[in-house]
Amino acid sequence: EVQLVESGGGFVQPGRSLRLSCAASGFIFDNYAMHWVRQVPGKGLEWVSGISWNSARIIYADSVKGRFTISRDNAENSLYLQMNSLRAEDTALYYCTKDRAWDPQFIFGSWGQGTLVTVSS
Amino acid sequence: EIVLTQSPATLSLSPGERATLSCRASQSISKYLVWYQQKPGQAPRLLIDDASNRAIGVPARFSGSGSGTDFTLTISSLEPEDFAVYYCQQRSNWPPLTFGGGTKVEMK
Repeated sequence: EVQLVESGGGFVQPGRSLRLSCAASGFIFDNYAMHWVRQVPGKGLEWVSGISWNSARIIYADSVKGRFTISRDNAENSLYLQMNSLRAEDTALYYCTKDRAWDPQFIFGSWGQGTLVTVSS
Repeated sequence: EIVLTQSPATLSLSPGERATLSCRASQSISKYLVWYQQKPGQAPRLLIDDASNRAIGVPARFSGSGSGTDFTLTISSLEPEDFAVYYCQQRSNWPPLTFGGGTKVEMK
């Protein structure tokens, strides 16, 4: 059974940093691209970033480009999101998602339960 | 950026009724449209990919159709567990990958 468990969320002041982690199990992690998708509670979904199996292809939404960095450690079956220069509008529940193939196909077949990031002074 | 517009925003129906949800793209996305279901307090669940392919384990009462700019998710006969929010997502042109604003299917 595929399991994705996010961690690292919390309350942070604007301009500060936070690093999210996603521990993956139940599948061959380095066979799949992975993504972060966020959702303001009660609102819609926003794709944040994606990374191919070997980190050769990395893509970001314009809203986070230059501030967020996605990475993965295939030896540790883990996905990360380094979030710098956080803004109030980054407040959301951040989901780790598994793609369908090794290169981003943007079909999110598995999701974690999310980790909440709150940016406020 | 491709904008996806879902309608209606809310659909009020009774169990056993047919639900028809629409997703319209601002430009052609061929068949590259994905549908998700989200229940309160849960992560989204993949239902349909590439307009009409049901994901593994998704009941046959869920079906998707369409191509180009107009797509439909149909639930042939609503079960109590189908009352949820449904999102469409395009994977034709990226970045950015975009989602629709969602349709809430609520019990009448």
